[in-house]
Formats: sequence, structure tokens, C-alpha cells
Amino acid sequence: AQKVTQAQTEISVVEKEDVTLDCVYETRDTTYYLFWYKQPPSGELVFLIRRNSFDEQNEISGRYSWNFQKSTSSFNFTITASQVVDSAVYFCALSEGSSGTYKYIFGTGTRLKVLA
Amino acid sequence: KAGVTQTPRYLIKTRGQQVTLSCSPISGHRSVSWYQQTPGQGLQFLFEYFSETQRNKGNFPGRFSGRQFSNSRSEMNVSTLELGDSALYLCASSFGGGNQPQHFGDGTRLSIL
Repeated sequence: AQKVTQAQTEISVVEKEDVTLDCVYETRDTTYYLFWYKQPPSGELVFLIRRNSFDEQNEISGRYSWNFQKSTSSFNFTITASQVVDSAVYFCALSEGSSGTYKYIFGTGTRLKVLA
Repeated sequence: KAGVTQTPRYLIKTRGQQVTLSCSPISGHRSVSWYQQTPGQGLQFLFEYFSETQRNKGNFPGRFSGRQFSNSRSEMNVSTLELGDSALYLCASSFGGGNQPQHFGDGTRLSIL
């Protein structure tokens, strides 16, 4: 069965610190997709990144980077030099397959507080 | 490009009533999914509609139902409301494949008194 675990419920950091949000997943499929979403205080979830199970390359986008390791079933998200605007709840999600029978499973989210 | 629009933004109901929530997806998106978000449970998948057909369903009681129209707009209905149904209900649209990112609306906050 699918499962996404975000063990960190809440993290507080001081501005300019680096922070890593952990995501561990479980799936039986060989084809699956992993996502990260950001939910700022305003409430709307915003898509950040997608990774498919065949692409283990890490990705960097500005201050954001993602580390995908199939060996440990992890898809961690690092924010470098955090800013107050990064304060939000971050969700990791898993989707198996690309056919019509897929389901999105979200983790419970990690609330990040960046203090000025 | 307009985003996902959910109406109403807020609703207050009492136990036993029913409620209908509406979602207009991004133009061109044929898949609409519904989620219930509560502080303790995170985002729980309710169901997904694609081309007017329910394609996937989560583990919610039959009081929760939905439908999708030919223009891809979707409605979700909850009957015989219970206190535990108080939550933020989120709608998300996508082109439809499991590899597609979902685009979320602002949600409808439902409070049951």
C-alpha cells in the first residue's frame, strides 16, 4: 500500500539557516511519482516539484533543492538560506503509475517557521 | 490563465443538514480531485473525477458524494452533516494522469455547529 511519512511535524529556524524537510515513502510499484507542495498561510497549495521513479537526479532551483534516493525511499527537500517568506506547511505526495487508477497520497505535512 | 475556483469560501451548517461545494478547474483540465484537510489528519483523498466519471475513491462514507459536469466543473455533496465533517475541503485539477501535478483551489472551509 502507498504511504508517505513526514516525521517532522514542525520545524523552526532562524532566517538564513538551511533546513531540510524529510519525506519517506512506501510503494510496491516500480513506476511512481513524487511531489512537493507548499501551503502558505493563505491556504492554497502550490506545486513545487515532481520526480518520477526512474530519475534519481537531484534537482536545484534557486534556494530549493531536492534529494531523491530510491535506496532509502526518501525524497528530501532542502531550503538554503531560509527566508521568512518560506514559512508554510510543506507536503510531500506520492502517486503510483500514470494510468487512470492512480491515487495521490499526501504526507501529513511539515510546518516550517522561519524567524526573522 | 485562471486558477481553480472553489465556492463558497466559507460555510456554516448544523448537524444533519447537507451541503454542496463547487469547483471550477483550470481550463483544459479534465481531472478534478477532492480532499478533506483537517489539522490532525492532513489531506485525505475523497474522490477523483475524470470526464464525468468517478475514477478513484478514498475511504469516506457514502454521505460524501460528487459529480462532474461536461465542462469539467465538479460538485461535492455531503449529506447528514456531522461535527467531524468540519474541515477545509480542497479541490484540485490536472490534465488527468498520475504523473501530473495537481493545481489546488483556495478551498471551502466548512464549519458544523
